[in-house]
Amino acid sequence: DGGITQSPKYLFRKEGQNVTLSCEQNLNHDAMYWYRQDPGQGLRLIYYSQIVNDFQKGDIAEGYSVSREKKESFPLTVTSAQKNPTAFYLCASSTFGQGAYNEQFFGPGTRLTVL
Amino acid sequence: GENVEQHPSTLSVQEGDSAVIKCTYSDSASNYFPWYKQELGKRPQLIIDIRSNVGEKKDQRIAVTLNKTAKHFSLHITETQPEDSAVYFCAAILIQGAQKLVFGQGTRLTINP
Repeated sequence: DGGITQSPKYLFRKEGQNVTLSCEQNLNHDAMYWYRQDPGQGLRLIYYSQIVNDFQKGDIAEGYSVSREKKESFPLTVTSAQKNPTAFYLCASSTFGQGAYNEQFFGPGTRLTVL
Repeated sequence: GENVEQHPSTLSVQEGDSAVIKCTYSDSASNYFPWYKQELGKRPQLIIDIRSNVGEKKDQRIAVTLNKTAKHFSLHITETQPEDSAVYFCAAILIQGAQKLVFGQGTRLTINP
């Protein structure tokens, strides 16, 4: 299960505060992803990055921001503009190449609760 | 964009019986279909996958079938065991370009002893 770490495991935030979730990988993967998991809705893509200093919006990017300054790191900031931020957040990483599935490996997740 | 529907949302079977989870997808361009298993409190892990040029794939007690024409694919688990209890997610992806996985809503499978 090693290779991708997320911290913290549990995070509590007051309404109106920004909060940053950490994701680090030592698998030398080029691509990294952030998903949000809500009960009954599966995993939904927030942002993804295929190379350093470049990232793309996923399906539910509003209220979130990311950066990719290092290959190993892809932090996610949940801003006060996110209307319903309480959720389980999963980070994933993969190699990046065409013509084959680049298996996404998931981190252990961060459970964010807004009080 | 792609949309994946997964059914049922919950499934309860007796130990030793078979379980079937079904998914449909909307984008005929999708050409790869992985299945992930998420045990309680753990991260999702890939358990089996199938490419669009294959109709069926087996790995011990699990199998996946794909009907490209109908845009359906299914996960079959035979001789279920307590450790099969988990949430299962299907997904669809086009393995060219950005490779964005689109997940189904998940199925909570419970194996009753």
